[in-house]
Amino acid sequence: SQKIEQNSEALNIQEGKTATLTCNYTNYSPAYLQWYRQDPGRGPVFLLLIRENEKEKRKERLKVTFDTTLKQSLFHITASQPADSATYLCALVNDYKLSFGAGTTVTVRA
Amino acid sequence: DAGITQSPRHKVTETGTPVTLRCHQTENHRYMYWYRQDPGHGLRLIHYSYGVKDTDKGEVSDGYSVSRSKTEDFLLTLESATSSQTSVYFCAISEGSGGTYEQYFGPGTRLTVT
Repeated sequence: SQKIEQNSEALNIQEGKTATLTCNYTNYSPAYLQWYRQDPGRGPVFLLLIRENEKEKRKERLKVTFDTTLKQSLFHITASQPADSATYLCALVNDYKLSFGAGTTVTVRA
Repeated sequence: DAGITQSPRHKVTETGTPVTLRCHQTENHRYMYWYRQDPGHGLRLIHYSYGVKDTDKGEVSDGYSVSRSKTEDFLLTLESATSSQTSVYFCAISEGSGGTYEQYFGPGTRLTVT
């Protein structure tokens, strides 16, 4: 069966450090992988998309990698700030639907 | 924010009653989706639509039905609400251009079935 796993439910880091989140998948061959941010009580917000032929994508302090051999994506928040505290979801494009991981909650301590 | 609203935002209802949630978009996007989000399960797709009157089931569709009579509106109906349907429900839209299908979410509806 298809499965998407995000490495841990919670990640606590010090302000200024880099947070690294992992998304692993099985029994998928996605052409695209997406990352979303969700704040408490709100809907997810689209952050980044990476294509299967792209190794890395950057947007401001965010960096995403996509390794189709390992079936893994890494999501990095560099120079983290308390405002980055949120839950981050990875999602695979499956036809015109998305399948989501359960998310990793990041808390950045000042 | 994408022009997407959900109503009601909060609802408490009794077991066995029908409930309808509404999603309205002003973006003229082709695709619309209903998800539920529960602790430990993440976002799970209930139903989706790929055009007016074109809908299909997601992974957790039992006990739910949908309708889309206009591009801008996508309704989710709980035919006879049960306590297991207590959840936060999100609607999402997608233009679908280029095959990337990034989605834009509404603010959510918190439903409690007593």
